[in-house]
Order: sequence, then C-alpha cells, then structure tokens
Amino acid sequence: GESVGLHLPTLSVQEGDNSIINCAYSNSASDYFIWYKQESGKGPQFIIDIRSNMDKRQGQRVTVLLNKTVKHLSLQIAATQPGDSAVYFCAEWGSGSARQLTFGSGTQLTVLP
Amino acid sequence: NAGVMQNPRHLVRRRGQEARLRCSPMKGHSHVYWYRQLPEEGLKFMVYLQKENIIDESGMPKERFSAEFPKEGPSILRIQQVVRGDSAAYFCAGRGTTDTQYFGPGTRLTVL
Repeated sequence: GESVGLHLPTLSVQEGDNSIINCAYSNSASDYFIWYKQESGKGPQFIIDIRSNMDKRQGQRVTVLLNKTVKHLSLQIAATQPGDSAVYFCAEWGSGSARQLTFGSGTQLTVLP
Repeated sequence: NAGVMQNPRHLVRRRGQEARLRCSPMKGHSHVYWYRQLPEEGLKFMVYLQKENIIDESGMPKERFSAEFPKEGPSILRIQQVVRGDSAAYFCAGRGTTDTQYFGPGTRLTVL
C-alpha cells in the first residue's frame, strides 16, 4: 500500500549547525504534507506544511522542500538548538474524502553541545 | 497541542477490562481523529469522526474498539476486553475548517 518513509532513523548535529531531515513518500496523488515535532511524552506539534503546488516554504528557522519528481520531502532547521532535540515526523495528507494523515516512522534528532 | 485535551494521561488496565479514552478538541473544531503510536514508531490512523458521525474507521480494529463524538461532550475511544497488544499511546487530533490537525498530549495505556 501507499506509505511515507524516512531515510534515516537518527541524526546528531552540533548546536548551531543546520539540520536536514529527509522523507520519501510513495503516493503521487498526495497534495499536502506536514512536518511534526514530537518531544518525549508529548503529542506531535505542527511545525510547517506545504502543498503540492509549491516547491519550498519557509518558516521561522525551518524550511520545507518538496521534490515531486522523486517524491521527496525535506525539513531544514537553521542554527539547530538544544530545544530542537525531538523526533520529527513527516506526514502525508491523503487524497479523497477520507483526508487522513499517514505518518512516517520518524527521525530522532539529537543536538550535541 | 494548544487547547486539545486528553484524559486520562496515563491509564493502567488488566487484561479483559475496558479502557475509555477521552478527547476534547479545541473550541470550534468539529473534526476529531484518533491515532495509535507504538514505541519508536509513527502514528497510525484509527478513526475520523465529525460531530455525531463516523466518517472513516478504516484504521480501527473491527472487534473490541469503538469511537464516538457526541453532539455535546468529548470524543471517546473505547476499548473493550483489553489485551497486552493494546498497550500504546493514543493521540487524538482536532481540526477546524483548515487541513491542519492539532494534537493532544496523548493517553498512555498500559495493559497488565
């Protein structure tokens, strides 16, 4: 079936460096993608989203890039801070009337001092 | 997680008992989604409800699981005759007129 998956399960970066978290999706009909951040013991927190008619969207310190040709999504975090340590999930917004989110398995980001 | 409430935050049940999980979305959000998360995994969709109606329950097991979102009050996910495999974190998310889902803090169910 259709799925959303991540390239790497863990990522460690030095504080102040930029982080890039990647995600591959397989449903070419998906038209909306979201990145969520989940800290230990908490629910997913919305970070940024992007629609399929866009290639790039920027927020505060975060940028999402969408490459529809290869069905690839990435989240870039600038000047990574200790508070950015968490699991990051990409999620695909299903097409059709159901409109349910399909989550990837997550990437654990660890920020080193 | 702004405004989405779930209770209890932690729930311990013995095999065979019933678990009842509650979710109150943000004010004005009439769409509710329930997800299950196993350790070190992503969230898996279970059911989508819109006030008094089940829109999509394709991710919810046919046996022992049920969900409702009454006109008044919280949405409830009910698990009857719990088994150890039901141990997980259960999250609800609310949505208004946009596509953005806002998640609650989750209920961590442990079945002994």
